[in-house]
Formats: sequence, structure tokens, C-alpha cells
Amino acid sequence: NAGVTQTPKFRILKIGQSMTLQCTQDMNHNYMYWYRQDPGMGLKLIYYSVGAGITDKGEVPNGYNVSRSTTEDFPLRLELAAPSQTSVYFCASSLAGGGGNEQFFGPGTRLTVL
Amino acid sequence: AQTVTQSQPEMSVQEAETVTLSCTYDTSESDYYLFWYKQPPSRQMILVIRQEAYKQQNATENRFSVNFQKAAKSFSLKISDSQLGDAAMYFCAYRSPPKGSSGSRLTFGEGTQLTVNP
Repeated sequence: NAGVTQTPKFRILKIGQSMTLQCTQDMNHNYMYWYRQDPGMGLKLIYYSVGAGITDKGEVPNGYNVSRSTTEDFPLRLELAAPSQTSVYFCASSLAGGGGNEQFFGPGTRLTVL
Repeated sequence: AQTVTQSQPEMSVQEAETVTLSCTYDTSESDYYLFWYKQPPSRQMILVIRQEAYKQQNATENRFSVNFQKAAKSFSLKISDSQLGDAAMYFCAYRSPPKGSSGSRLTFGEGTQLTVNP
């Protein structure tokens, strides 16, 4: 199993550009998550999904959109990139949404908006 | 809203010695889970240990153990026989009980950067 994979690993955007961060998991997990990690800070939840076709906002959703058309994929869309979106983005997945279920994380995407 | 506080931005330890990382949290829930995650320079988030609030016994995973004080809302991580590979950022995280089909969220602290000196 590859686990959770993310592409690209690094990206530089200009202000106002758009892009999609890709996330795929091969563990047949129902729950998937997008987090952002600002320098020196913990992770903050952007969006999450409890299954194909179902998504919901997390703590910091503004400026982002998601979709979940398959169990495996959970892309994150940035529209009109802003310098405040410079961060490291992590995708994660878990079998179920509560209790002690471990969230498995991807390697992250480092995004810089100039 | 739940909050997680790690009051030590940086800690250092000598190889083979023991170090304790602190974490406190705020919640009105009675059933929840707590986690410690490790983030080495590779950025990969790795689960170190987890604790269910209803279990009185402190969790242990090899050299890693926790001191869970529910009344004090404290959840510290003890690393024994520290190794160079333990050097990383450590995050404490809180998970509330799931609400219906929406599951529950992880709330992270700001992290403690651990340096292991040879």
C-alpha cells in the first residue's frame, strides 16, 4: 500500500492564480481531511469528507474548495491564491471518524504564494 | 471549542536520557481521545501514542509513555532512553466524540521541537 499520496510536493503560485492539490489514498478509508500548517504552528483543519459525495467545512475553509467523487481521491482547490495561503498542506485519511481511529497523513505540499 | 496548549516551544535532551513534553487541553466533554504525533524534518506526521479518556491506565508504546491526568486536563509524553532519531517536532492532539455521521475532528497544539544531543 502506498498509503496517502499528495502531489505536487512543492509549488510556487502568483497572487490570483488557482491550483488543485491532489490527494489519493489506497486504504479504502471513508474519512479524508485537509489540513494546513503555518510556520511554527500546529495543523488546522480546512475541509473534511465522510465519504464519496459528502464534504464539510473545518476550522479554516475560506479560500478553498473540495470535492469527493470517489473514495480514493480528495482534491483541494485554491481559487485566487493569496499570500496568506502560503503554508504546508497535509491530506489525511482514516477508516472511521471518531474514537481512537488513527489518521494517516500524506507527506505534505509546500505552497508559496508570491 | 476545544483548545490544546503546548507550553514548551523547544526542549532538548541528552542521548539515552529521559525527557517529558507537556500538553494541556480544555474541554467540557467526558469521553475523548488524546494523541501524540511526531513530525521529523521529512514533514511526515507519525502517530506516537494514543489515550482514551475513559481508560485510567496510562498508554505505553515501547520507550514512549504518557501521564494522563484527566481532572487536571494534562497529557504529557515521556520519552525514555532518548535516541537521535527521536529528534522532531511533537504535536499533542485532541479528538472529541463523533457527532452523528460527521465524525470528529483533531485539534492540534502548536508543537514542541525536541533536540537530542549526542
